[in-house]
Amino acid sequence: SQQGEEDPQALSIQEGENATMNCSYKTSINNLQWYRQNSGRGLVHLILIRSNEREKHSGRLRVTLDTSKKSSSLLITASRAADTASYFCATRESSGTYKYIFGTGTRLKVLA
Amino acid sequence: DVKVTQSSRYLVKRTGEKVFLECVQDMDHENMFWYRQDPGLGLRLIYFSYDVKMKEKGDIPEGYSVSREKKERFSLILESASTNQTSMYLCASSPWGALFQQYFGPGTRLTVT
Repeated sequence: SQQGEEDPQALSIQEGENATMNCSYKTSINNLQWYRQNSGRGLVHLILIRSNEREKHSGRLRVTLDTSKKSSSLLITASRAADTASYFCATRESSGTYKYIFGTGTRLKVLA
Repeated sequence: DVKVTQSSRYLVKRTGEKVFLECVQDMDHENMFWYRQDPGLGLRLIYFSYDVKMKEKGDIPEGYSVSREKKERFSLILESASTNQTSMYLCASSPWGALFQQYFGPGTRLTVT
């Protein structure tokens, strides 16, 4: 399996509900990022959390990081139809590599 | 706003053709990346360039080459396109020392028939 794996693969919720998606990884990391991708488009950076941080907020987004469990979660509160997209986590190993490893993504559908 | 543009949104090529995918960024970024995105596999790094004429292989460089003659432009070349190179290709750029700050282009969906 890959360095970053999101769970669930797909999620469908009603507008106004919260959406939670998870990312697991295998190695020690320097930081972890979440990206959004609207259908057929490029990725947009949402938020970065460093390995020494446990929680971070940005607007309706809340990211947590548990390095002991090698996992992160992205919570979108009060979801809107415009949040419909795929969400990816990306990790950079603490070994100093330039590479970010992207997961396979969670497809979120928010129903109006 | 950072802008990363890719030469084509959709491209259809025949097996064996030489294919050029162009990427241009307007923010004077040193780092540029080419990824391919396939269902169930996420994004995989093909090549990375950290300066003009400098490049590093990513995880799946086989069948691809790159060219960076000018700072703003990073080209991906499929020397002899094959059907297994049908994919979405994404270009990204980031400033020096800020690898995490990657800005992506809209992608090129390439179909090789």
